Amino acid sequence: KAGVTQTPRYLIKTRGQQVTLSCSPISGHRSVSWYQQTPGQGLQFLFEYFSETQRNKGNFPGRFSGRQFSNSRSEMNVSTLELGDSALYLCASSPRTGRLLSNQPQHFGDGTRLSIL
Amino acid sequence: DQQVKQNSPSLSVQEGRISILNCDYTNSMFDYFLWYKKYPAEGPTFLISISSIKDKNEDGRFTVFLNKSAKHLSLHIVPSQPGDSAVYFCAAKGNNDMRFGAGTRLTVKP
Repeated sequence: KAGVTQTPRYLIKTRGQQVTLSCSPISGHRSVSWYQQTPGQGLQFLFEYFSETQRNKGNFPGRFSGRQFSNSRSEMNVSTLELGDSALYLCASSPRTGRLLSNQPQHFGDGTRLSIL
Repeated sequence: DQQVKQNSPSLSVQEGRISILNCDYTNSMFDYFLWYKKYPAEGPTFLISISSIKDKNEDGRFTVFLNKSAKHLSLHIVPSQPGDSAVYFCAAKGNNDMRFGAGTRLTVKP
């Protein structure tokens, strides 16, 4: 069974640009969550999607957005990139949830490392 | 605000000895706790979890202890192996929220 797949693995952008990251969950998983990891900050929750709807959102500005498709694949978009957006962006999937993160472990992808110059 | 804290950024242990990783939380609404392990260039891997109705959960060499009154959980690894060297994250869930600690880098020396 294939794991969570994130593309691209590495990305370099400049300030002011926008970026779209992609996540394909484990087959059969319907919930996809996105996280940002920066040095010393741990993992910070961005948002969660289930059945093509954003169910929960973390404390990030509106420049961060996402969507989920009918096949559960998800994309995350960051507009007007800032230097502080440089981070590892992780996607995680779990089988089901109607509310955020039911008591089932999430399975993480290897992340997209975004560097802003 | 850091609702989940891992106060030790690093820990070094000799092979065969016990590794104890600690985690504190502040939000009493958290009712499910998890530990993840992360190797460089890979995503976190789920290790073990515990519900707030329990105070201990064991899986092989890994045991998680939960002290609700102290809002503290710990992960014990016995015996520690060099392959356990990684960054360990604790996470807490509850009330439609999920928070991670900043991680503790464990080094197990042969």
